[in-house]
Amino acid sequence: DIQMTQSPSTLSASVGDRVTISCRASQTISNWLAWYQQKPGKAPKLLIYKASTLESGVPSRFSGSGSGTEFTLTISCLQPDDFATYYCQQYNSYSEYTFGQGTKLEIK
Amino acid sequence: EVQLEESGGGLVQPGGSLRLTCVGAGFRFSDYWMSWVRQAPGKGLEWVANVKQDGSEKYYVDFVKGRFIISRDNAKNSLYLQMEYLRADDTAMFFCAGGRLGELSLWGQGTLVTVSP
Repeated sequence: DIQMTQSPSTLSASVGDRVTISCRASQTISNWLAWYQQKPGKAPKLLIYKASTLESGVPSRFSGSGSGTEFTLTISCLQPDDFATYYCQQYNSYSEYTFGQGTKLEIK
Repeated sequence: EVQLEESGGGLVQPGGSLRLTCVGAGFRFSDYWMSWVRQAPGKGLEWVANVKQDGSEKYYVDFVKGRFIISRDNAKNSLYLQMEYLRADDTAMFFCAGGRLGELSLWGQGTLVTVSP
């Protein structure tokens, strides 16, 4: 089974900051990684897929990088709407998807 | 408008059964791998099961194998999850989600399943 480990679990930042969230896979997953944003009481929203491809309609301040086992999500200039919980998800095989445990981005 | 709408959640006793339904609209349902993803109260996302576009492949997370069955009816733009032998730790919001590959680009708003005496 592939395990996904996100860090940090909680991140405090201010509007305008640049923040980075990391996601590590327990084995190589090539670039089969997605990032989601979830707000309380809402469904997750896809931000990035194939590690670095921005989903249509997602602001360009979001970017993703990495391959193999190490991945990052970067938000270049935090906006008030960005405070939420972020999840990575691997989909290296259709037989097994795994989410990271989540990173809660809080207002400092 | 592209949408997924789940139904069928509710309160069920331990050991009981429930069938969840998800209906898609506004997109070509038969083009998408479809998944169920759950989220226990205050916890993270957990993939449960998925089914290929034509229904020929189905996969499950270990802790639901033998208890849950995923299926789809492309003629009705519908996805199903039959859940048996429900346990208290199955209590969660269940989302249906779809993607052309493994990323989940479409999500419903979820249906709440509560397993309690």
